[in-house]
Amino acid sequence: EPEVTQTPSHQVTQMGQEVILRCVPISNHLYFYWYRQILGQKVEFLVSFYNNEISEKSEIFDDQFSVERPDGSNFTLKIRSTKLEDSAMYFCASSSDSSRLFFGEGSRLTVL
Amino acid sequence: SQELEQSPQSLIVQEGKNLTINCTSSKTLYGLYWYKQKYGEGLIFLMMLQKGGEEKSHEKITAKLDEKKQQSSLHITASQPSHAGIYLCGAVYGGAQKLVFGQGTRLTINP
Repeated sequence: EPEVTQTPSHQVTQMGQEVILRCVPISNHLYFYWYRQILGQKVEFLVSFYNNEISEKSEIFDDQFSVERPDGSNFTLKIRSTKLEDSAMYFCASSSDSSRLFFGEGSRLTVL
Repeated sequence: SQELEQSPQSLIVQEGKNLTINCTSSKTLYGLYWYKQKYGEGLIFLMMLQKGGEEKSHEKITAKLDEKKQQSSLHITASQPSHAGIYLCGAVYGGAQKLVFGQGTRLTINP
């Protein structure tokens, strides 16, 4: 079965640093998503992306966050100035028709 | 308040026993999804239900969506250690593209 791949699997950063999490969605998919899961909490929606623009975003997705599809294959999540509370597992997902979402294995971000 | 409530939050069963996990929505569902997550790993798709009264099965796992499309149950028959993990229900509500998740049910299978 095709896979969504995410890099890095784990990143440790200092508070205030910029972080970019990368995702390679399934090749023919058109809808892209980022979710996060703080340790011990539920999986939370951050943002959805379709047709080269954000289609929906949550309250969590403030000005510190941005997404980009720079080259037609990668889908990135940037956090401009990380805070301690940004420590979480970040999941990328993609879908061909916004129904079934295929998730990556996640990128664990630790902010010190 | 939570849009999706799962119960129980955690469940410990003896290998070979049957079990049921419930997911209740505060609003009518457009679609209901079941995913499984192993600790520290990604989400694995199990099933998607869209029609009221729909029931789907995959191996020993059966999921149902009630007629009013506000509640779903996931039933595992003759549980095995491989069934252990966190089960998440996710919902799509009309007009939205995002999938909203419940808080998850942690399932432990004792040998």
